Amino acid sequence: NAGVTQTPKFQVLKTGQSMTLQCAQDMNHEYMSWYRQDPGMGLRLIHYSVGAGITDQGEVPNGYNVSRSTTEDFPLRLLSAAPSQTSVYFCASSYSAGLGTGELFFGEGSRLTVL
Amino acid sequence: DAKTTQPNSMESNEEEPVHLPCNHSTISGTDYIHWYRQLPSQGPEYVIHGLTSNVNNRMASLAIAEDRKSSTLILHRATLRDAAVYYCILLKSGGSNYKLTFGKGTLLTVNP
Repeated sequence: NAGVTQTPKFQVLKTGQSMTLQCAQDMNHEYMSWYRQDPGMGLRLIHYSVGAGITDQGEVPNGYNVSRSTTEDFPLRLLSAAPSQTSVYFCASSYSAGLGTGELFFGEGSRLTVL
Repeated sequence: DAKTTQPNSMESNEEEPVHLPCNHSTISGTDYIHWYRQLPSQGPEYVIHGLTSNVNNRMASLAIAEDRKSSTLILHRATLRDAAVYYCILLKSGGSNYKLTFGKGTLLTVNP
């Protein structure tokens, strides 16, 4: 199993550019989520999904869009990048974390720099 | 939602035991206690979780206070590879734990 795969691992953007961070999992997990992590901070939830066609906002959703057309994929879109979106982004998935008993599986992260 | 409180940092020596505390004084009876850790430049990884009884696995042990208002993650013999940020979070049993958030955690430094 590949687990949770994020691409790209590194990206540099100019202010105003758009891009999509890809996240794919091969564990048939219904729950998927995106976090951002800034230096010295914990992880902050951006958006999450509890199944195909269902998404909702987390703690810091502004400036980001998501969609969930398949169980496997959960892309994160930046429509007009801003320097404040410079961060490390983590995708996570789970089968039963929603029930309190399961674990979250995280990707390796995507480091984004916006100039 | 119940909150957790952890020390910002702790230090240990290699091959010594490490006890990482977590306070959760407002925990409810249906909250599971989960621990994750994040190695440098990696995504967080699951360590262990429990409800009421102490739990052991290949990575660590989880000691839960009788009143459940605190818990301790125990690394029996710290190695340099255990240097990481450790997060303690609460998840409701059978609940909609969808807005999972992680605080700043405890930064563990392991000295050779």
